Amino acid sequence: DAEITQSPRHKITETGRQVTLACHQTWNHNNMFWYRQDLGHGLRLIHYSYGVHDTNKGEVSDGYSVSRSNTEDLPLTLESAASSQTSVYFCASSESYTRRGELFFGEGSRLTVL
Amino acid sequence: AQSVTQLDSHVSVSEGTPVLLRCNYSSSYSPSLFWYVQHPNKGLQLLLKYTSAATLVKGINGFEAEFKKSETSFHLTKPSAHMSDAAEYFCVVIPMDSSYKLIFGSGTRLLVRP
Repeated sequence: DAEITQSPRHKITETGRQVTLACHQTWNHNNMFWYRQDLGHGLRLIHYSYGVHDTNKGEVSDGYSVSRSNTEDLPLTLESAASSQTSVYFCASSESYTRRGELFFGEGSRLTVL
Repeated sequence: AQSVTQLDSHVSVSEGTPVLLRCNYSSSYSPSLFWYVQHPNKGLQLLLKYTSAATLVKGINGFEAEFKKSETSFHLTKPSAHMSDAAEYFCVVIPMDSSYKLIFGSGTRLLVRP
């Protein structure tokens, strides 16, 4: 079965360190997204990609970057981790523009920045 | 601007009784609306969608939702709650512009009492 996997599922890091969260999907979807989920803020879009070599900023992109070198992967990098980036991160994908409301989510990566 | 409001942050029901989770949207046009479910420590999963076809939409696990334009509502219901329904539920709207940025409600946590 097709799926979307995230790794690591849990990570603890220190302020200032670079962190990369991996996202891999086998749906062959062109569209991929990164969200963060925080109490009181719901889900907020960080970055998204429509296809290989395409990346776009979401509503909370400061301090984060992504790259898309193939269809399957969209790694999220925190250049210099801050305590405010402690959160649960979700990767998601969708098949097409017309089905853009139908997202397939990974199980999340819980990041703690000390 | 489009928005979505989930009227209850927490709903508690007894097993076997009906479930009602309320969602109101703000939009000047007929939107596409979705309900997602998130079980503890899991990613979000699409429950059902409304895309201007039938106003009563059936989803997975016995859930359904009715689109009422006059009331700008898209409430989620289930005739009989099961313990496994305990989760957080998100109402989602696709904004009017052509972006991929979905608008998520703040979520309703459903507690099912034995």
